[in-house]
Amino acid sequence: VQLEESGGGLVQPGGSLRLSCAASGFSFGNYWMSWVRQTPGKGPEWVANIKQDGSQKYYVDSVKGRFTISRDNAKNTLYLQMNSLRAEDTAVYFCARDGSTCSSSSCVEDHWGQGTLVTVSS
Amino acid sequence: DIQMTQSPSSLSASVGDRVTITCQASQDIYNYLNWYQQKPGKAPVLLIYDTSNLETGVPSRFTGNGSGTDFAFTISNLQPEDIATYYCQQYDTLPPLFGGGTKVEIK
Repeated sequence: VQLEESGGGLVQPGGSLRLSCAASGFSFGNYWMSWVRQTPGKGPEWVANIKQDGSQKYYVDSVKGRFTISRDNAKNTLYLQMNSLRAEDTAVYFCARDGSTCSSSSCVEDHWGQGTLVTVSS
Repeated sequence: DIQMTQSPSSLSASVGDRVTITCQASQDIYNYLNWYQQKPGKAPVLLIYDTSNLETGVPSRFTGNGSGTDFAFTISNLQPEDIATYYCQQYDTLPPLFGGGTKVEIK
């Protein structure tokens, strides 16, 4: 399983950025996928996830209405469109595979990429 | 949201020691509790899922137990390569929040 994020960088407050996550080594279309972020010195924070066919998406309250998760199963790629960015969105963003062990609400993130840094600053 | 309280925030122990980290959930999460290890500059790595199940390839010196709201993670026979920050995470309900982390250092 390999997950490789890209698209991070420096953006001004109010700006937009689109992150990508290229997946390989597994049947991408068979798994829920998630984005998780982490500010230096703090614990990870789950951001969003998406069902195998893209028909269900869930978000943490702090990004609802600003971020959109999507996927292209033909390209084995996960996306995170981030709009109206704020300083508090500054973090390393990881994509993660939601594995086969699940509760009724979510699944265990069993593989993670190495992350891409998003810095929101003027 | 279900809050996860992890303690201690840091600990220092000697090679060969047994160390235990605790995690308390703000409500019953049954056994939907994971433990991750994170080394500096790296992504978290899943060690234990469903409270006590060891992920494939993880050494048996790592164990977990608990249920409901109270959980524990133990490293028996601490090794130099275990230096890292450890996080618990509940996945009973969305959002699947993480604990604040425990930084493990060698004396």
